[in-house]
Amino acid sequence: DAGVIQSPRHEVTEMGQEVTLRCKPISGHDYLFWYRQTMMRGLELLIYFNNNVPIDDSGMPEDRFSAKMPNASFSTLKIQPSEPRDSAVYFCASSFGGGPYEQYFGPGTRLTVT
Amino acid sequence: GESVGLHLPTLSVQEGDNSIINCAYSNSASDYFIWYKQESGKGPQFIIDIRSNMDKRQGQRVTVLLNKTVKHLSLQIAATQPGDSAVYFCAENILNQFYFGTGTSLTVIP
Repeated sequence: DAGVIQSPRHEVTEMGQEVTLRCKPISGHDYLFWYRQTMMRGLELLIYFNNNVPIDDSGMPEDRFSAKMPNASFSTLKIQPSEPRDSAVYFCASSFGGGPYEQYFGPGTRLTVT
Repeated sequence: GESVGLHLPTLSVQEGDNSIINCAYSNSASDYFIWYKQESGKGPQFIIDIRSNMDKRQGQRVTVLLNKTVKHLSLQIAATQPGDSAVYFCAENILNQFYFGTGTSLTVIP
């Protein structure tokens, strides 16, 4: 298996622009997680899905962030409008069963908002 | 939110020596802990976990120790190898919410 696939790997955008991050989970996994990682705050869970349904989005920082999972093989995290403080590495992870020890992380998308 | 902190931001060890990475947590209600390894340019990778009803758990070359009295967690890596160079961070679970530390960078000197 190719593992969790994220695109793009790097994204540089200007403040105010819309940013869309993409994730393809491992085939057969029923949970999908979006995380954000910064030096200051470490890794933070933003939202997770089970069987394509959002279960907990309490980690989404504000209304500028939205996530969708239209099918079992694709999810997006959108930031609109983007701000410099959104600069971070965004990880997608998937698992079968939801247990943290079963999560497989993607390589991440490094987002820089200028 | 809860704080999960690391005592040392960086750690350098000689190849073959044992490494000890520490983590402090602040909430006595934390009932589950995980150590992750994150190599440069990659996502975190689960290493080992421990529940609060245990003091020690061993894996392959790694041991996690939990001291609930002082709210301290440590990861011991035996016979450290160059491939162990990475950032290591801990996570605690409180009421089904995970809180992650910022990490310690481990460098193995050949």
